[in-house]
Amino acid sequence: KNQVEQSPQSLIILEGKNCTLQCNYTVSPFSNLRWYKQDTGRGPVSLTIMTFSENTKSNGRYTATLDADTKQSSLHITASQLSDSASYICVVSPYNTDKLIFGTGTRLQVFP
Amino acid sequence: DSGVTQTPKHLITATGQRVTLRCSPRSGDLSVYWYQQSLDQGLQFLIQYYNGEERAKGNILERFSAQQFPDLHSELNLSSLELGDSALYFCASTTDDRVYNSPLHFGNGTRLTVT
Repeated sequence: KNQVEQSPQSLIILEGKNCTLQCNYTVSPFSNLRWYKQDTGRGPVSLTIMTFSENTKSNGRYTATLDADTKQSSLHITASQLSDSASYICVVSPYNTDKLIFGTGTRLQVFP
Repeated sequence: DSGVTQTPKHLITATGQRVTLRCSPRSGDLSVYWYQQSLDQGLQFLIQYYNGEERAKGNILERFSAQQFPDLHSELNLSSLELGDSALYFCASTTDDRVYNSPLHFGNGTRLTVT
């Protein structure tokens, strides 16, 4: 079983709509949780990094939340744009290690 | 632009062959990480170098090897290639030797196709 699971696997929304992507993890304890955006054919780009003590972090229209009790994180995208079409990857760093555990991502498609 | 440069962008080769992937980290970054991304799989950590020395190993096959040169660029060597080695190979860099609290800056990858 993957230690970092993301849902849904894929999502289609219309331009201008909001959406929320989910990340459930079993890694515990952990140092931080990250969200990356990966455009097709490109490398992942960091959106947010949250330590275990943070509940929320924003980067423009992207807002990540973290609930360490339920081991869940979400990435909320507001007023989606065509350029938001990409894969979004959740990454967890176990405490006191120098490792990163990657989820398999949610593929988001935004249509006009 | 992350500042991390990977070459070549695409590579097509036959089974049994050997290839070399190259990575130049961001200016000032001393750590280089190599990752493999197979179709519909999460990124798998292969190996890390810091300032020329191997620092950590992940799920790297014995057929694969890497090194980091004095100018800090790194090369990933893949030999005796198999069909299952077809994947995207990413290089990432950070300033220091610990990734747990540092943002990783990724290159745009090398797409390897083994036929």
